[in-house]
Amino acid sequence: GESVGLHLPTLSVQEGDNSIINCAYSNSASDYFIWYKQESGKGPQFIIDIRSNMDKRQGQRVTVLLNKTVKHLSLQIAATQPGDSAVYFCAEFYGGYQKVTFGTGTKLQVIP
Amino acid sequence: ETGVTQTPRHLVMGMTNKKSLKCEQHLGHNAMYWYKQSAKKPLELMFVYNFKEQTENNSVPSRFSPECPNSSHLFLHLHTLQPEDSALYLCASSQDQREDQETQYFGPGTRLLVL
Repeated sequence: GESVGLHLPTLSVQEGDNSIINCAYSNSASDYFIWYKQESGKGPQFIIDIRSNMDKRQGQRVTVLLNKTVKHLSLQIAATQPGDSAVYFCAEFYGGYQKVTFGTGTKLQVIP
Repeated sequence: ETGVTQTPRHLVMGMTNKKSLKCEQHLGHNAMYWYKQSAKKPLELMFVYNFKEQTENNSVPSRFSPECPNSSHLFLHLHTLQPEDSALYLCASSQDQREDQETQYFGPGTRLLVL
C-alpha cells in the first residue's frame, strides 16, 4: 500500500464520536487555510477552507477553527465514520497557491 | 475521479535512466502544479504553471524538468535521479493559481522508486 501515513501522529476514535485534529502553522501573515483529506492510494482531497478574517467555518459534519493569536488551526469532524479514516493535513497560503506550506499530517483511525 | 489523471501510477527507475511522468486534467483549468510527497515530510510544491507559463520553481534540482505543452497536460521529465528522490509525485490543477478561484484538484499520484 501507499506509504502516506507512516510515521505520522495517529488519532484513534470510536465510530460515532467526534474527532479533533490540530495543526500549528508557521506564518502569521498567512491569509488562507485549507484542510485536506488523503486516503491511501489517492491524492489529497479538499475538505474545508477558511480565510484569516474568520475564526470559524462550518461544513457538512466538519468545522474548522482558526486561532490567529497562537497560529493554530483545528478540524472537527462530527459523528466520525469509518470512511473518515485517512491522513488529514492543513495548508497555509500567503498570496495564492504558489506560496503554500503544508503540515505533516495526522492519521485518523476510526474504530468500528 | 477528480478529473486529474496521472501515469504511470508506479515507476521504478535506476539512477541513470530517463523517464517522464504525465498528468492530464479534464476540468478546463488554467493552472497546473507538481508536488512531491515523501513519507516523512510535508507535501512540497515543486512547479506551478498558469496558462502554460511557469510561474513558480521552488528551488527544484535541474534533474527534474517540467513541461506544459497546453493547459490540459503537464509532464515531469526525470533524469539522473537520486534514491532520495523516491516519493509520491502529485499533480494538481485549479482554475487559476489564486486561491480564491476554484478548488485545487489532485491526481492520484505516481509512486516513484529510484534504485
